[in-house]
Amino acid sequence: SQELEQSPQSLIVQEGKNLTINCTSSKTLYGLYWYKQKYGEGLIFLMMLQKGGEEKSHEKITAKLDEKKQQSSLHITASQPSHAGIYLCGADRGGSRLTFGEGTQLTVNP
Amino acid sequence: NAGVMQNPRHLVRRRGQEARLRCSPMKGHSHVYWYRQLPEEGLKFMVYLQKENIIDESGMPKERFSAEFPKEGPSILRIQQVVRGDSAAYFCASSRDLNVLTFGAGSRLTVL
Repeated sequence: SQELEQSPQSLIVQEGKNLTINCTSSKTLYGLYWYKQKYGEGLIFLMMLQKGGEEKSHEKITAKLDEKKQQSSLHITASQPSHAGIYLCGADRGGSRLTFGEGTQLTVNP
Repeated sequence: NAGVMQNPRHLVRRRGQEARLRCSPMKGHSHVYWYRQLPEEGLKFMVYLQKENIIDESGMPKERFSAEFPKEGPSILRIQQVVRGDSAAYFCASSRDLNVLTFGAGSRLTVL
């Protein structure tokens, strides 16, 4: 089983719609990172959450960390084609490395 | 202020050949990480290095794979006697003081 489970695995939405991607950890989260990857490119850092209950926003993207449930959610408001890509959550296990979920493939249709 | 630079971006090798992937971290970053992304799979940690030291290689295959980060020059991930299963995207990331990782664009290895 995966240490980090992301849901859904893929998502297709119409431009302008809101959407949520979830990330659930099987172990205690010391920190949770969200990255975005476009096909054929590297990962772009979006946000880092470290404290239970923490919420951060950047433009139309909001991420929350529920430490008790060992979950994080990424919410996009009024999605645009530029939001399309693969969203990856990564967990800091307290050491020197991040463990990533398998990603959520987002398609935004104009 | 260049980001993490990886080269080559694409590499084709025949089975049994060697592959060398290079990574220059961001200026001021002393921590380098290598990750592998296999087709239809997630990103998997391979190795974490600081200058001249391997700190954590728990994700490295036991054979054929090695990594270094010399005092001068880029970090190098070396794969000897490549097999088809080594075909993947290899990403390098760097950080300063174990903070947020900045990723390179990746090197895509194809083994024929």
